[in-house]
Parts: sequence; C-alpha cells; structure tokens
Amino acid sequence: DGGITQSPKYLFRKEGQNVTLSCEQNLNHDAMYWYRQDPGQGLRLIYYSQIVNDFQKGDIAEGYSVSREKKESFPLTVTSAQKNPTAFYLCASSITGGVGELFFGEGSRLTVL
Amino acid sequence: AQTVTQSQPEMSVQEAETVTLSCTYDTSENNYYLFWYKQPPSRQMILVIRQEAYKQQNATENRFSVNFQKAAKSFSLKISDSQLGDTAMYFCAFHSTNAGGTSYGKLTFGQGTILTVHP
Repeated sequence: DGGITQSPKYLFRKEGQNVTLSCEQNLNHDAMYWYRQDPGQGLRLIYYSQIVNDFQKGDIAEGYSVSREKKESFPLTVTSAQKNPTAFYLCASSITGGVGELFFGEGSRLTVL
Repeated sequence: AQTVTQSQPEMSVQEAETVTLSCTYDTSENNYYLFWYKQPPSRQMILVIRQEAYKQQNATENRFSVNFQKAAKSFSLKISDSQLGDTAMYFCAFHSTNAGGTSYGKLTFGQGTILTVHP
C-alpha cells in the first residue's frame, strides 16, 4: 500500500543531543513537509521541499535542519539549538501544483528529558 | 500572510445529532482551496472534505458538508448524524493556488477543535 512512514514513533533524548526523524513516502509525490504540533497551537510548518535537492524554511525553522537527497525521503534533524523540542512531529507529502491536499504519516513523538 | 482561525477549542455532541465547527480565514487571494482534516486519537491526519474557492456550491461528503461563505471568509463544517468514531480533533486549512504568492505550495492550519461525541 502507498503511504508515508515515519520513524520512530516515540523518541526520548537528553537535552543538548541532536536527533533525526525519518520520513519515507512511496506515493511518488514531489513535495514533502514537516509540521510540528503543540497543544493549542495547531500545526506549524517547519520545512518543506517541492523538489529533490531543494527545500524552504517554513514558519518555525530555527533549530531544525532537513535534507532532500531522494524523492522518497525527507529526514528532519532537531538540533540542540532548538529551545523547546518536545513535541509531536508530522511528515506529509503532496503533488506539486495540485490542489494542496496533504497525505500524512502517523507522526513521531519526541520527548527531551 | 494567510491566517486561519478556529474559535472553538472544544465541542461536544450527542450521538446521532448534528454539530457545526467554525473556521474563518484571512487572505487577499482569489484562488485557493480550503480543507477540513480529522485527527483521531490514533493521531493520523486524514482529509474530511475539500472546497475550491471558485465553486459556489458547498462541498458534501456523506455526513459531512461545509458552509462556504467566500465574502465573509468563513468555512464551517457540519457533521450530521454524529457517530462515536467522529470523536477527534478537526483542523481547518488553507492552500493558495497563486504560484507567485508566499503561501503557494504549503497549507496553513487553524488551531484545531476537539470534538467529542457522547453516546
């Protein structure tokens, strides 16, 4: 079945450590996105990529980094510079130039101790 | 920049009844899409319904329908015959189709409304 796979589902890290969240899709979508979800704040866009080897900052990119070396993969690194990294992270993909409908993964819950 | 506002943090409804979730948005663009997404306790977001701004007819998907008021920039979701499985957080989202605009290629979400359906 086509879809988006995020791993790990749950992740615990010590403060000051970098951590990388994986996102893989087999939907053949060109565009991929990372959102952060916090209670009461909805979803906020961290980074997005509309084509391989290119990506743009979203609304809250500080303390995060991404790469897009393959169409299927869009990993997100939460660096030690991110002041409040504990959150739920959602990866999504869509057809570039389409109506904007996003297909989501199941999310990754990051807790920094 | 576009903004999406959901003014109801929580709503509740009895099973089989009808409930309406509110959403307003702010944009200067003419061409866009609006969405309602559902996030059940399992956390995976799924699309409920989509509305194209240039279509006057309100979108309908089975028990879900929208009331799209373009001039008022309002996009509410009506759930008829509510079921226990409708319990979830619901997000309203905006997508611009203006390739020259700052919002092209990305969705802007509202804060979400937690809906609880009671038996």
